[in-house]
Amino acid sequence: DAGVIQSPRHEVTEMGQEVTLRCKPISGHDYLFWYRQTMMRGLELLIYFNNNVPIDDSGMPEDRFSAKMPNASFSTLKIQPSEPRDSAVYFCASSEIRQGVNYGYTFGSGTRLTVV
Amino acid sequence: AQRVTQPEKLLSVFKGAPVELKCNYSYSGSPELFWYVQYSRQRLQLLLRHISRESIKGFTADLNKGETSFHLKKPFAQEEDSAMYYCALGSPSNTGKLIFGQGTTLQVKP
Repeated sequence: DAGVIQSPRHEVTEMGQEVTLRCKPISGHDYLFWYRQTMMRGLELLIYFNNNVPIDDSGMPEDRFSAKMPNASFSTLKIQPSEPRDSAVYFCASSEIRQGVNYGYTFGSGTRLTVV
Repeated sequence: AQRVTQPEKLLSVFKGAPVELKCNYSYSGSPELFWYVQYSRQRLQLLLRHISRESIKGFTADLNKGETSFHLKKPFAQEEDSAMYYCALGSPSNTGKLIFGQGTTLQVKP
């Protein structure tokens, strides 16, 4: 398995532009998570899905952020319009629960977003 | 509320010294606990999970339910162990979500 695949690895954009981050989870994993990591705030959970359905989006900072999971193998996180304070590393992770046991997350390599 | 506490933001040791990264949790039932490691500018990687009772890269962690702790230990630190370490608690309602601590940066000096 190639693991959790995120694209792009790096994104530099101008303030006000739309940004779309992409994630392909591990096949068979039924949970997908989007995190943001910054030096100031550490690791923050933005939203997560179970079987493609959003379960908890309370971590999404503002209406400028939206996430979708149209099928089991793809998810997007969109920021529109982007602002300099959105600069961070955005991680996607997937996981599964088998027979009631949580086996933990597998993280993608992250997207380093810089908004200038 | 379920919570994970890593009391040290930074732990600095010399190469060859023992290491203990502290993790305390709050949860009344049977926890699922994990340690993740993040090397500089890389992804978080699963290091240990308590259900497996395994040793990875010389690290071990024992669940102490009485003290609600899951400290990560290594008898002899190596320079390549320098990284950020996160302790995480499986969501008690089995939602699949992990609750992460704030992380501890381990710095191993030569």
